[in-house]
Formats: sequence, structure tokens, C-alpha cells
Amino acid sequence: NAGVMQNPRHLVRRRGQEARLRCSPMKGHSHVYWYRQLPEEGLKFMVYLQKENIIDESGMPKERFSAEFPKEGPSILRIQQVVRGDSAAYFCASSPAQSSYEQYFGPGTRLTVT
Amino acid sequence: DQQVKQNSPSLSVQEGRISILNCDYTNSMFDYFLWYKKYPAEGPTFLISISSIKDKNEDGRFTVFLNKSAKHLSLHIVPSQPGDSAVYFCAASFSGAGSYQLTFGKGTKLSVIP
Repeated sequence: NAGVMQNPRHLVRRRGQEARLRCSPMKGHSHVYWYRQLPEEGLKFMVYLQKENIIDESGMPKERFSAEFPKEGPSILRIQQVVRGDSAAYFCASSPAQSSYEQYFGPGTRLTVT
Repeated sequence: DQQVKQNSPSLSVQEGRISILNCDYTNSMFDYFLWYKKYPAEGPTFLISISSIKDKNEDGRFTVFLNKSAKHLSLHIVPSQPGDSAVYFCAASFSGAGSYQLTFGKGTKLSVIP
């Protein structure tokens, strides 16, 4: 039973390029969360999605960042026109519908902006 | 403003002894607390949790204590094993709207010395 899968594991982008991070939740999980971990910091909540719905994006920067969880396929976190400050580890978590406390995390995508 | 604080960035403990990791929180609305363990290049994995209606929860070698009046919780690992060496994150959540948002501390790196 595969856990939460994220790809790519490492992503290098030049300033101004776009970054696309993908997350496949655990089988049977319909809730997806994205967190960002800056160097020497804890994980910070960004966005919570269910299939085809953004439930809460209060932790996501207003510009350049967007997220989706389509009916088919993985959840995507998209960062347009990346800047050096976007360099971080981005973690996706998923949970079963019944309990949002039980969040299972993927291995993360480490984004480096050069 | 950091709502969940882990004031010790690192901790070293001899194998077989007790490890005590501490966590303080400022938001009195938090009523559910979790500990996650993280190895390098992996995502956080859930370890143990406690609801605010309890003051202790035990699972094998791991025990979490909650002192609501002091807004303090601690994770005890006994006996400590070299495989416990990892970064431990304290996280908090609350019931009701937004309960899915886990608020993390910055983590404590535990090193268990053989």
C-alpha cells in the first residue's frame, strides 16, 4: 500500500521560471494539504484541498502560488516566476475523509531557485 | 508570532536513558497535540498524539504529557535507542473550523549516542 507520493524529489529552477510540484495522496484519502518548510523553520500550512475544491488557501501567498486537486490525477502546487525566497522543502499530506488530524506526509520536494 | 515553540534545537542522550523533548504553546484554543518524527530526506511521520481532555498518553516507549495550565507538553522516550535519532516536531491543532491546520514548532534534533 503506497504512501503519499511526491515528485519530483528535487527541483532546480532559475529565477522567473515556473515550478510544478505533484502529490498523489494515499489510496482512499480524498483530502490533501500542502506545507512549506523554510530552512531552520517548522512546517507552515499553505493550502487544503479536496477533489476539485480548494477548501482553505489562507496560508498560501496571494501572488504566484496556486494549487489544484483535479478529479483525476495528482494534486499540483504551482509556483510562477519563482524567486530565491521560494527555495524550501514542500510537503504534501493526505488524510481520510473522517479525520483531519491523521495527516500522512509525503517525502517532500526540495525546491532550489538559482 | 510563533504559537508553538520548541526551545531546544538539539538534544543528545545516551542509549538506554530517557529522552525528554519539550514544547510550549501560546494559543489557548489549541486542544489537540501531535508529535512527528522526521528523518533526513523523508517526510514527517506521526508518532503520538494527545487530546486536551487528557494529561497523558502512552504508546510503547513513547509517552506524551500535557500540562494545560502551563501550556506545555513533553515527549518522553524510554529507553532511547540509536534509531530514535531524528528531528522531532511538536504540532498543535484545534476543534472546529480550521482544525486541519497543523501548527508546527521548529523541531528538536535528537541524537542518541550508542
